[in-house]
Amino acid sequence: SQQGEEDPQALSIQEGENATMNCSYKTSINNLQWYRQNSGRGLVHLILIRSNEREKHSGRLRVTLDTSKKSSSLLITASRAADTASYFCATGGSNYKLTFGKGTLLTVNP
Amino acid sequence: DTAVSQTPKYLVTQMGNDKSIKCEQNLGHDTMYWYKQDSKKFLKIMFSYNNKELIINETVPNRFSPKSPDKAHLNLHINSLELGDSAVYFCASTGQVDTQYFGPGTRLTVL
Repeated sequence: SQQGEEDPQALSIQEGENATMNCSYKTSINNLQWYRQNSGRGLVHLILIRSNEREKHSGRLRVTLDTSKKSSSLLITASRAADTASYFCATGGSNYKLTFGKGTLLTVNP
Repeated sequence: DTAVSQTPKYLVTQMGNDKSIKCEQNLGHDTMYWYKQDSKKFLKIMFSYNNKELIINETVPNRFSPKSPDKAHLNLHINSLELGDSAVYFCASTGQVDTQYFGPGTRLTVL
């Protein structure tokens, strides 16, 4: 069964604006990860946050995790046209298994 | 150098045929996966192998059979292909830190 649910399903912004995507999940997790998928390509890992962490940064990315609400958010600051892609959250348990959400399609308009 | 590679990139075939997709990783990882991504981009895990041993086997028709000749390779064989098998199939691998590295995908079209 599907674990993560991203919100919104699609997001369109102007270059330079910030983009925020949310992810909710149902069961307990060891970690939560965000991946990016450009059109016609494989998924690329962006950032991993462990269940005992609340916030993590990597370049223009900021991820938060609220285990009490079973939710996470991904913030991309100062977006660029090259950030246009689908973004997926994935929850990790103790058995190397990742369960992916349906993704958010982000379009950054130049 | 490509970390996770898949062949072929595109596969077009008739219903009822048998086909294979190959995957190789040069990252030294112990665990490899097969995922299916449908037309709505939903990514679903199918199988996982750790050091040639099957560790994850989701609810997948038994027409799908993975084979891992060594820990760097995980192939997917599909018998009696059906229209509903049309999708993009991704191979992935992981080491010790849970991050998965994906291949470029194989787009399978069943006519």
